[in-house]
Amino acid sequence: GESVGLHLPTLSVQEGDNSIINCAYSNSASDYFIWYKQESGKGPQFIIDIRSNMDKRQGQRVTVLLNKTVKHLSLQIAATQPGDSAVYFCAENCPNFNKFYFGSGTKLNVKP
Amino acid sequence: DTGVSQDPRHKITKRGQNVTFRCDPISEHNRLYWYRQTLGQGPEFLTYFQNEAQLEKSRLLSDRFSAERPKGSFSTLEIQRTEQGDSAMYLCASSSGSGYGYTFGSGTRLTVV
Repeated sequence: GESVGLHLPTLSVQEGDNSIINCAYSNSASDYFIWYKQESGKGPQFIIDIRSNMDKRQGQRVTVLLNKTVKHLSLQIAATQPGDSAVYFCAENCPNFNKFYFGSGTKLNVKP
Repeated sequence: DTGVSQDPRHKITKRGQNVTFRCDPISEHNRLYWYRQTLGQGPEFLTYFQNEAQLEKSRLLSDRFSAERPKGSFSTLEIQRTEQGDSAMYLCASSSGSGYGYTFGSGTRLTVV
């Protein structure tokens, strides 16, 4: 159930616009998902999580959507700010594996 | 206790030398994880502990790598006879258990020259 990282895609948005970052996960048995934000030189920081019994969860300016049918996860950031510029990773946890597997990440670049 | 601490933040070493990194997890977390991250990639699992027991090791963890968590609190990751391919960010994370998210430290950036 490991997600394999490829080239790092980049999303560029204008400050104030909404951002949508997508992630395809690999294991249909995964039941818990987290989005992490990683700024340069820092460790990943928890943003929002969702369990497989839900298809949507909202936080402050962020929403995570889960589509189990196509194994797809998305992170929506409302009114994107320059401080949102970072690399965003989705992580999946399968109950049998006792650990999270991370995607390769998407770089979000917010233009002022 | 404000989070997961890692030391050192940066380490430059010559090829063939041994290095040791330390991780202090959140005190009430019984699980501790080590991940490795190379540029442009997501973190890759290396190993994890539940209390002092090392429960799983990735095949990425060659014989030159060893990790300990002797008292179920802090952990060390040692790399012997470092190679240039070991250059990466080594991340430590802790959690309350299976089914809970991780809190990561800031990582140790290793450069092998």
